[in-house]
Amino acid sequence: GAVVSQHPSWVICKSGTSVKIECRSLDFQATTMFWYRQFPKQSLMLMATSNEGSKATYEQGVEKDKFLINHASLTLSTLTVTSAHPEDSSFYICSARDQRGAHQPQHFGDGTRLSIL
Amino acid sequence: LAKTTQPISMDSYEGQEVNITCSHNNIATNDYITWYQQFPSQGPRFIIQGYKTKVTNEVASLFIPADRKSSTLSLPRVSLSDTAVYYCLVPPEGQGFSFIFGKGTRLLVKP
Repeated sequence: GAVVSQHPSWVICKSGTSVKIECRSLDFQATTMFWYRQFPKQSLMLMATSNEGSKATYEQGVEKDKFLINHASLTLSTLTVTSAHPEDSSFYICSARDQRGAHQPQHFGDGTRLSIL
Repeated sequence: LAKTTQPISMDSYEGQEVNITCSHNNIATNDYITWYQQFPSQGPRFIIQGYKTKVTNEVASLFIPADRKSSTLSLPRVSLSDTAVYYCLVPPEGQGFSFIFGKGTRLLVKP
């Protein structure tokens, strides 16, 4: 149980393109999902908290208009990197937490490697 | 903000028991401690979670002393495939669950 599916796993695109990444909780419902970014040899950096049915909460320094988050259902959150540039190249990881129970841990997708040429 | 401190790296040999300790001096009364494992180019994988004393599952044990200011992840008889980064997470104050990552411990298992 507690499977989080993230797609695509790998994207290469030209500068200026917008890229959408999907995060799905397959066997549980999640009112809250998280989006992280990870650079090589570094830890995960929280970008934003995605809340079902409401606006996402962004961490300081993360551009809301650059990283659009939509959490339209209890099992799906999407991150759209708009007008991507080479500096947006990174490993993006989502996570979801089963809303049942106060101490449920997060479960993570396998990440999306984004390369902007 | 509950902050965790772990060793940056550890080396071990196949078949040995590995213990990774995490300090979390400001852990709140009701908070749990959660450990994750991450391989390169993959998302973190949940290993174990605990509140106090000892928790054991099929892959690891978690030891938490009475003051709960630290915890130790114990990996019995490690193999080469246990080479990974291990993260200890404690919830930010008032949040109830963990979502902020520290630097983690890079474990290298040698043959």
